[in-house]
Amino acid sequence: KQEVTQIPAALSVPEGENLVLNCSFTDSAIYNLQWFRQDPGKGLTSLLLIQSSQREQTSGRLNASLDKSSGRSTLYIAASQPGDSATYLCAVRVSGSARQLTFGSGTQLTVLP
Amino acid sequence: GAGVSQSPSNKVTEKGKDVELRCDPISGHTALYWYRQSLGQGLEFLIYFQGNSAPDKSGLPSDRFSAERTGGSVSTLTIQRTQQEDSAVYLCASSTSAGTLNEQFFGPGTRLTVL
Repeated sequence: KQEVTQIPAALSVPEGENLVLNCSFTDSAIYNLQWFRQDPGKGLTSLLLIQSSQREQTSGRLNASLDKSSGRSTLYIAASQPGDSATYLCAVRVSGSARQLTFGSGTQLTVLP
Repeated sequence: GAGVSQSPSNKVTEKGKDVELRCDPISGHTALYWYRQSLGQGLEFLIYFQGNSAPDKSGLPSDRFSAERTGGSVSTLTIQRTQQEDSAVYLCASSTSAGTLNEQFFGPGTRLTVL
């Protein structure tokens, strides 16, 4: 059974810092990995999707990498801003007939002004 | 519509009552998913619909939970005889297909509180 772990569970940084969020998964047979952002009391906003054949994806100040063989992904946020404060979730879609995503428990990020 | 919509946004009910939660996927999306987000449990898959195929119900926690999708668009998640442990945020997502690309887009969720 696929398990997804995110470390750290919470992170607090001063504005302007670059930071890295980590995600690991136990089964490397995946189709893709998706990073989401969740603001308090809100739904999930898709940030980046990396296909299993890709190594990284970039969107603005965000860069996500994928090392499928080692079961790891990182989300790099450059020049953090208070508006980046949210919970960040990673999720994988396993290979095979299943279509659903398996989620990590998230990293709660606070960027201090 | 511009995104996935869900209604109601909040629902408070008494233990033992039935509830219905609604999801409107993004227009043209053929795949629809229901997830549940509970305190301390994270996000859990419940059920998946793809076109006219039989749904994947493997994540439903009990037979009190059921879902249907009419006309390949709107979906309703029904919880019968609600229990306090059913309290959670119920999230709906949709994607363009069930292929490997299927980036999932989520609605704002319905927060269910069972008293």
